[in-house]
Amino acid sequence: DAGVTQSPTHLIKTRGQQVTLRCSPKSGHDTVSWYQQALGQGPQFIFQYYEEEERQRGNFPDRFSGHQFPNYSSELNVNALLLGDSALYLCASSQGQNQPQHFGDGTRLSIL
Amino acid sequence: GENVEQHPSTLSVQEGDSAVIKCTYSDSASNYFPWYKQELGKRPQLIIDIRSNVGEKKDQRIAVTLNKTAKHFSLHITETQPEDSAVYFCAASKRSGAGSYQLTFGKGTKLSVIP
Repeated sequence: DAGVTQSPTHLIKTRGQQVTLRCSPKSGHDTVSWYQQALGQGPQFIFQYYEEEERQRGNFPDRFSGHQFPNYSSELNVNALLLGDSALYLCASSQGQNQPQHFGDGTRLSIL
Repeated sequence: GENVEQHPSTLSVQEGDSAVIKCTYSDSASNYFPWYKQELGKRPQLIIDIRSNVGEKKDQRIAVTLNKTAKHFSLHITETQPEDSAVYFCAASKRSGAGSYQLTFGKGTKLSVIP
């Protein structure tokens, strides 16, 4: 039984570029949440997707957008990248909206 | 929004001793409190969780207690082992007006177990 998988593992971009990160939830899970984790900090909630809709959003600008597909997989898009967007981006899936969340290994995004 | 404070930021204990990590939350509407363990370079791993209708939960050497009145919850690890060394995060989840949920994390506690 595969857990939460994320791709790519690492990504290097330059300021102003756009990036798409991908997440496949654990089998049986229908809800996907995205987090940004800066070095030495706790994960910060970006948004949550359920039934292909963004259900809740954290304190992140509109440059951060997402999508959930009918197979429950999800994408995180970030436009107009800033140096401060450098972080580990974590995806977590759950079976329902307020249920235990299981994390993927994350995508390490570096902005030059 | 919700604010979660976690203490201490670092904790060193001798192998075999107990470790306690404490968190406070600001919003009394929060109703779900998970704890995650994150080893260096690895994913956060859910180790135990508790809901607001329960005061205590135990799983082998790990226990969590919740005091809703004081709005704080704690992680207790007994008989610590070197493999318990990691960063531990507490979190709190509350329902928003739109009927969805948001998980807010503390800043983490780096636990070092000295052999």
